[in-house]
Amino acid sequence: DTEVTQTPKHLVMGMTNKKSLKCEQHMGHRAMYWYKQKAKKPPELMFVYSYEKLSINESVPSRFSPECPNSSLLNLHLHALQPEDSALYLCASSQVDGGIFSYEQYFGPGTRLTVT
Amino acid sequence: GDSVTQMEGPVTLSEEAFLTINCTYTATGYPSLFWYVQYPGEGLQLLLKATKADDKGSNKGFEATYRKETTSFHLEKGSVQVSDSAVYFCALSDPSGTYKYIFGTGTRLKVLA
Repeated sequence: DTEVTQTPKHLVMGMTNKKSLKCEQHMGHRAMYWYKQKAKKPPELMFVYSYEKLSINESVPSRFSPECPNSSLLNLHLHALQPEDSALYLCASSQVDGGIFSYEQYFGPGTRLTVT
Repeated sequence: GDSVTQMEGPVTLSEEAFLTINCTYTATGYPSLFWYVQYPGEGLQLLLKATKADDKGSNKGFEATYRKETTSFHLEKGSVQVSDSAVYFCALSDPSGTYKYIFGTGTRLKVLA
């Protein structure tokens, strides 16, 4: 099974709201990723977790707060977002062994976020 | 730094036509190479991969060969279908084995019946 699931599929939120995006995988992967994708662009990496620890933060504004409660789950907490944060948010996972990341990443279907 | 260059789209073909989407890369080491496909409103799906020179990745009638001499990984399909209409991304993994993926800009394919 190479499935990564994400909820919700769509989310509309106001600039003062707090919401969370959820991602889950059951492939035993120990690396998980958040990407942001704007229309007609490739995905942009936001965060990387390795063995449930935050490894990489690609200079993402603090209004985005990731969390990895366990090896299968990844959350992205959203607060005080701006309209320009509207995008497709993709979760991905991959294997990692001793700091060496497996080459292929498996992506979820994404959450379409609209900030009003 | 490492980079991936894809041909500009959109590419419009008639059903059963031959497809080529060009992808070239620059990398200091020996990256793995990938093609991902994104259907409208969906996430990215791994289409195929190649991990070393002269490897051929294939899946669902699509093929790509890792050509180190020309630093290319062109995607081909002998007979496209309307259902192949999507955006195709070429990507490479950081040769040093870190987390980083380098994506191309994506090529939109439209297949007409």
